[in-house]
Amino acid sequence: AQTVTQSQPEMSVQEAETVTLSCTYDTSESDYYLFWYKQPPSRQMILVIRQEAYKQQNATENRFSVNFQKAAKSFSLKISDSQLGDAAMYFCAYRSAYGQGGSEKLVFGKGTKLTVNP
Amino acid sequence: DTAVSQTPKYLVTQMGNDKSIKCEQNLGHDTMYWYKQDSKKFLKIMFSYNNKELIINETVPNRFSPKSPDKAHLNLHINSLELGDSAVYFCASSRRTQTYEQYFGPGTRLTVT
Repeated sequence: AQTVTQSQPEMSVQEAETVTLSCTYDTSESDYYLFWYKQPPSRQMILVIRQEAYKQQNATENRFSVNFQKAAKSFSLKISDSQLGDAAMYFCAYRSAYGQGGSEKLVFGKGTKLTVNP
Repeated sequence: DTAVSQTPKYLVTQMGNDKSIKCEQNLGHDTMYWYKQDSKKFLKIMFSYNNKELIINETVPNRFSPKSPDKAHLNLHINSLELGDSAVYFCASSRRTQTYEQYFGPGTRLTVT
């Protein structure tokens, strides 16, 4: 079974600075998808960024980018120019690419609470 | 337009009662899910349906019964509620054969007293 580990329960960053959230995962599969979701205090789960395992290029979405290291099974999220609105819980998630029954689920890490200081 | 909606957003009830949570998506997706987020914020899959067919049933007590009347709806009925059922329940949807990201509803905070 796949597992996702976020080793930083809490992180803080100064406004306008850069912060990196860590995520590692364990799988025997070669094809899969990785995601970062943001959960602000409103509790809405918001997709931040996704990465296909077969792509070597790291995904970017505006101020958000990932460092995907497939061999190391590492998938970190970098937030540049942090804003107060970035304060939230961030969840790393894994999804198998094989699409058979039982594999479409997202497997989540335990989350990292990000505080942005003004 | 809300992509994935859930009703109600808050539900407070007593032990032993039966309650339902409704979910609807207007994204044209063919797969829908229920996730449970516990008090420590840990999210875990409960069920998924594809085209009204149950795909995932992740060791959930049989007091929980999902029902999918059509591709756009997935409801969750809970019988004989227990204190440990208190949590936030999220509905999500995706296209099973495409880019795979799941879109979540706003969550339903269930409190059992």
